[in-house]
Amino acid sequence: QLQLQESGPGLVKPSETLSLTCSVSGYSISSGYYWGWIRQPPGKRLEWIGRIYYGRSAHYNPSLKSRVSISIDTSTNALSLTLSSVTAADTAVYYCVRLKGVIVAYEYWGQGTLVTVSS
Amino acid sequence: DIQMTQSPSSLSASVGDRVTITCQASQDIYNYLNWYQQKPGKAPKLLIYDASTVEAGVPSRFRGSGSGTDFTLTISNLQPEDFATYYCQQYDNLVSFGGGTRVEIK
Repeated sequence: QLQLQESGPGLVKPSETLSLTCSVSGYSISSGYYWGWIRQPPGKRLEWIGRIYYGRSAHYNPSLKSRVSISIDTSTNALSLTLSSVTAADTAVYYCVRLKGVIVAYEYWGQGTLVTVSS
Repeated sequence: DIQMTQSPSSLSASVGDRVTITCQASQDIYNYLNWYQQKPGKAPKLLIYDASTVEAGVPSRFRGSGSGTDFTLTISNLQPEDFATYYCQQYDNLVSFGGGTRVEIK
């Protein structure tokens, strides 16, 4: 059974870099599928951050593109997210996801991790 | 950017009711539309993809319809476990989500 588990600091200072890891179990990331990140600010709608397929370039939300990077670490079978120059607007629950084949639907989700940006 | 507008933003219903939620796209998105259910403190769950295809394991009382700019999620015979917030999501041009519809117990 595929499982996704996000981890990382729950508190990040403004202007610093947010770094999260998604540990994947039950499937090898390098075997296929798109993987990605979605976030949800408190009380607000979901926001797509980006997605990646092993061996290919990542695709990012244009509104975040200058600050975001998503990568795959096959040695740990994990997905990572970095978001630089964070502000309070980046406070959100961050979800790791796996897409449903070629359809851009989010079939598997991690439980989410709350990241608060505050000094 | 494609804007997704859901209505209503919230509704009250009783067990056994039929509920209809609409999602309107700011431009033609063909059938590139998915629906999710989210319960408090939990990750969203995929219900419907490509506007009308029910995800495996999702009860048959959930039905999706529509194409172009106007889409509908219908829940027949509402059950206690269906009280949640529902989101639509388009993927014709990048990805964007609707604002959500909260289904509450009357």
